[in-house]
Amino acid sequence: QVQLVESGGGVVQPGRSLRLSCAASGFSFSSYGMHWVRQAPGKGLEWVAVISYDGSNKHYADSVKGRFTTSRDNSKNTLYLQMDSLRPEDTGVYYCAKDTRGLLGAFDYWGQGTLVTVSS
Amino acid sequence: EIVLTQSPDFQSVTPKEKVTITCRASQSIGSSLHWYQQKPYQSPKLLIKYASQSMSGVPSRFSGSGSGTDFTLTINSLEAEDAAAYYCHQSSSLPVTFGQGTRLEIK
Repeated sequence: QVQLVESGGGVVQPGRSLRLSCAASGFSFSSYGMHWVRQAPGKGLEWVAVISYDGSNKHYADSVKGRFTTSRDNSKNTLYLQMDSLRPEDTGVYYCAKDTRGLLGAFDYWGQGTLVTVSS
Repeated sequence: EIVLTQSPDFQSVTPKEKVTITCRASQSIGSSLHWYQQKPYQSPKLLIKYASQSMSGVPSRFSGSGSGTDFTLTINSLEAEDAAAYYCHQSSSLPVTFGQGTRLEIK
C-alpha cells in the first residue's frame, strides 16, 4: 500500500534552517509529481511547493519563494524540503502529498505530517 | 491566484441530515476541483476528484457536482463519523489553492 512518511520537523529559532524528508513506498515514486502542504495550528491548508516527477520543474508559494527549496532523490524514493531563513509564521504541520498526475492533479495520498515550530 | 471561497465556515448538524457545502472559485477552473475530509489529528483524505469523481472506498453518501466557478459537496444522511473539516482545492493553475475550510459538528 502507498505510504508517505515525513520526518525532520522540530523546534528551530527564527532565521535558522531545517530539512524535511518524505519517504515514499508502495507506488512508482519516480512517475508522479509531489507536493508539500502545510497547516498552521488551528488553521486551514496552505500549499507550499510542487516538484515534477523527474525534479526538472518546481514551483513555490509566494510566501516561501526564495527561502524554501524542494528536491527529490528517485533512487531513494525520497522527497525533501529545505527550509532556510525560517520565520515564526512558518510554524505548522508539513505534509507531503502525491499528485494523481504531474503538477496539477488531486492529492490522493498524504503523509502523517511533521511539526515545525519556529520560535526563539 | 485563484481564490476559493467555501460556505458555510461552520455547520452544526444532526445525524441523517443532508449537508451541502459550496465552493466558489474567483475564476473558471473547469472541473479541476477536489474535495478533502480532515478529521481531528489526521491527515486530509481525498473524497472527490475533478468535481464529481468519487474515490474508491468513500461512502456513497458523499457526492460532488459543479463546473466552472461553482461547486458543491453533498453528504446525504449524515453519520456521526462525518464530523470533520472539509476543504476544496483547485488544480487548474499554479499556485494551487485551498478553500478556507468548512467545519462540520454533529449534534
